[in-house]
Amino acid sequence: KNQVEQSPQSLIILEGKNCTLQCNYTVSPFSNLRWYKQDTGRGPVSLTIMTFSENTKSNGRYTATLDADTKQSSLHITASQLSDSASYICVVSAQWLGNTPLVFGKGTRLSVIA
Amino acid sequence: DGGITQSPKYLFRKEGQNVTLSCEQNLNHDAMYWYRQDPGQGLRLIYYSQIVNDFQKGDIAEGYSVSREKKESFPLTVTSAQKNPTAFYLCASSLRGQAGNEKLLFGSGTQLSVL
Repeated sequence: KNQVEQSPQSLIILEGKNCTLQCNYTVSPFSNLRWYKQDTGRGPVSLTIMTFSENTKSNGRYTATLDADTKQSSLHITASQLSDSASYICVVSAQWLGNTPLVFGKGTRLSVIA
Repeated sequence: DGGITQSPKYLFRKEGQNVTLSCEQNLNHDAMYWYRQDPGQGLRLIYYSQIVNDFQKGDIAEGYSVSREKKESFPLTVTSAQKNPTAFYLCASSLRGQAGNEKLLFGSGTQLSVL
């Protein structure tokens, strides 16, 4: 079964600290992996998209890594800010013949406190 | 500014009532999608459309209907047949289909609640 599992489910960190969110997937055949940030009551916003050949991709203080062999990805947030408080969603795209290849994780809820 | 506009932000439905959620985009995107988000769950695809006057069922289409009469608009109707409609509904669009590296852009969502 094609699944995307994220951990931890929720996380609380102090402002200025770093954190790493995990994403494991069983989606096959793999096309790409995306990380989204979703503020409460808002739509998700894309942070990164990585293909099979990309190991690392950065977007400001956000750095995503991908290990296609172990089917794992991580999102590292550096020097966290209060505005980083949000849900982070991992999405994996499959190379299916159909047009609905995206499999969504349940998200990690991050709270950054002062 | 280009983007996706969903309205209303909050919607309440009485039992037995049909309600329609609006989604408009001015990005000239071919593909549009409707997702449902429940607390603690991943997004689930309701319907999608890749071209005007054509749309396909997603994973949870029962109790919902859509139309795509214009490229810019993809309204979602939650019918009385949907027995558990309370959820956060997200509209999205992409230049073409979701295959490959197409970036998926989301609207700001509509929270539907049952009275």
